[in-house]
Formats: sequence, C-alpha cells, structure tokens
Amino acid sequence: DAKTTQPPSMDCAEGRAANLPCNHSTISGNEYVYWYRQIHSQGPQYIIHGLKNNETNEMASLIITEDRKSSTLILPHATLRDTAVYYCIDMNYGGSQGNLIFGKGTKLSVKP
Amino acid sequence: DGGITQSPKYLFRKEGQNVTLSCEQNLNHDAMYWYRQDPGQGLRLIYYSQIVNDFQKGDIAEGYSVSREKKESFPLTVTSAQKNPTAFYLCASKGGHDRAHQPQHFGDGTRLSIL
Repeated sequence: DAKTTQPPSMDCAEGRAANLPCNHSTISGNEYVYWYRQIHSQGPQYIIHGLKNNETNEMASLIITEDRKSSTLILPHATLRDTAVYYCIDMNYGGSQGNLIFGKGTKLSVKP
Repeated sequence: DGGITQSPKYLFRKEGQNVTLSCEQNLNHDAMYWYRQDPGQGLRLIYYSQIVNDFQKGDIAEGYSVSREKKESFPLTVTSAQKNPTAFYLCASKGGHDRAHQPQHFGDGTRLSIL
C-alpha cells in the first residue's frame, strides 16, 4: 500500500501556479521524496525528487518541510497540458527492490 | 533522442496463447522494471533486473516470464498461466548502481486485451 496521502483532486486556472500537497507521515530518514505524473493512457513521467532541501528543475519546484512530513510540488505557470494525475512517493533504493508504489494521486485539472 | 520504447502499443491475445511485450532502452541504464497497472489503480511490480543476465521476481510474477540477454532489452512474456492478463503494462529503466537515487523513467506502455 502507498505510504503517502494526497487530495484526490484539484483545479487550477491556466497560467497560475499549481501547488500540490503530499503528506509523508511515515517517511524514514533515508527515503527520498519523488514526484511523477501520468497523463491518461501514457506512462508515468518523472518530475522531480529530493531528500531534505528544496529542489527546482525545468518542470517544477519541490518544497519539503523541515520535519519531512509533508511536501509541495509547485508548477509555477500551469498549462492545459499539465492536466494529469500527480503522484508523490517515498523511496529508498538501498536495500529495496526499487518498487515504485503509487497511491491514488491527485487529479489536477487545469482550466482555461 | 534517448528513451524507452515499448511495442506494440495495443496487443490482443486469444485464450491459451503466450504473448511477448517488447521493451528497449537506449539510455545505457543498468536496471529495468516491468509493472502492471489496472484501471484506477497504482502500479504493481512484475519483474525487475539490476544487470544483464540477472532478474528477480516482483510482487506479482506468477504467469509472467522475462529475459535480460542484452542491457538495452527486457522483454516480458505473458503466459497462458496468467488468468487475468488484461491490463496496461509499463516498462521502466533506471541509471546508476542499484542503490543510486536516480529516477525510474517509463515507456508509454502496452495495453493488452483478451479476445
């Protein structure tokens, strides 16, 4: 079962920032936070990952709270093509088979 | 462009028939994975391979088989022993050694249906 919890759905106006929250209530010290998204009938797309510090890449920013119990994925200027299901995952490859356990995710709808 | 190619995109199987799903990557990744996704559900790991000529069962390996004869290829065979094969099958690969925190990258999947 997934270890993270996310709201089932969110709406965002096109051009505005989309802030997607995730709770990591059982995250352990050596687990990273990963974010993926999946557009209908396509494979999941990697977005960003981090351990403790905030991270930014060309797609998004990741904010991780100091206690690491929650994170927020920020899409700074959402477009209609960002409509997808977004998944946050706690993952530690060391000692594990590398199984990505997706929960139900957040369905983000970007509206014109 | 580097990436993961899965083929075919759609596949139909008759009862009692084995079918093989192709997964090829040109990312020079050591690790490769096969997942199954059912409607409205998350991913379930079928098999994974950390290196050529080696692979391990995932959570739902029964009725499936794999091979890893080349670094870039990890084909999945859905055998007639798999009683509920209708699903969306996803292949992924990951760079770095097995404990490296590199992301898994996915292909666009193969949708398998029973005739």
